Amino acid sequence: RKEVEQDPGPFNVPEGATVAFNCTYSNSASQSFFWYRQDCRKEPKLLMSVYSSGNEDGRFTAQLNRASQYISLLIRDSKLSDSATYLCVVMREYGNKLVFGAGTILRVKS
Amino acid sequence: EAGVTQFPSHSVIEKGQTVTLRCDPISGHDNLYWYRRVMGKEIKFLLHFVKESKQDESGMPNNRFLAERTGGTYSTLKVQPAELEDSGVYFCASNHPGTGYTFGSGTRLTVV
Repeated sequence: RKEVEQDPGPFNVPEGATVAFNCTYSNSASQSFFWYRQDCRKEPKLLMSVYSSGNEDGRFTAQLNRASQYISLLIRDSKLSDSATYLCVVMREYGNKLVFGAGTILRVKS
Repeated sequence: EAGVTQFPSHSVIEKGQTVTLRCDPISGHDNLYWYRRVMGKEIKFLLHFVKESKQDESGMPNNRFLAERTGGTYSTLKVQPAELEDSGVYFCASNHPGTGYTFGSGTRLTVV
């Protein structure tokens, strides 16, 4: 079983739609959680960190449920430019290695 | 501030040859990481330097891979001899303790 599991998609949604991605992780020692975005043939870029209290950055909302070992990302009012692969990433302790999910593909269409 | 720079951006080599990838981290970043994405798989950790010391090399696939960071500045990752399964995208990242990672744009390695 992979340490970080994501639905690979693709999620095909129209502009303006709300879309949610989920991710589960198996290592309960994981300490830090992130969503990264990766465009085709580019490097991963940090989208946002994820906290138990939930956090929001504009149209993006991330949530962590430690008890269920579950992470979510909600994108509201999808834009064409949101099309990318979204990577769920966990870290066991700060400064240590990142463990990546395989990514969820989002395609926003006009 | 210059980002993480990787060279070359692409490399095509024959099986059995040697390739050396280079990473220049953000200036002053003590932590430097190498990751790899093989086709169809998730990005996986290879190793972590703190300055010139290897902090964690648990992700290195085998002894055909050698990473160095002499002087604690740039790092090299040498694959010798290269095998077909080494093909993939090799990413380097750096950070200060307590800050987020910045990834380089990667080296796409193709072994034929």
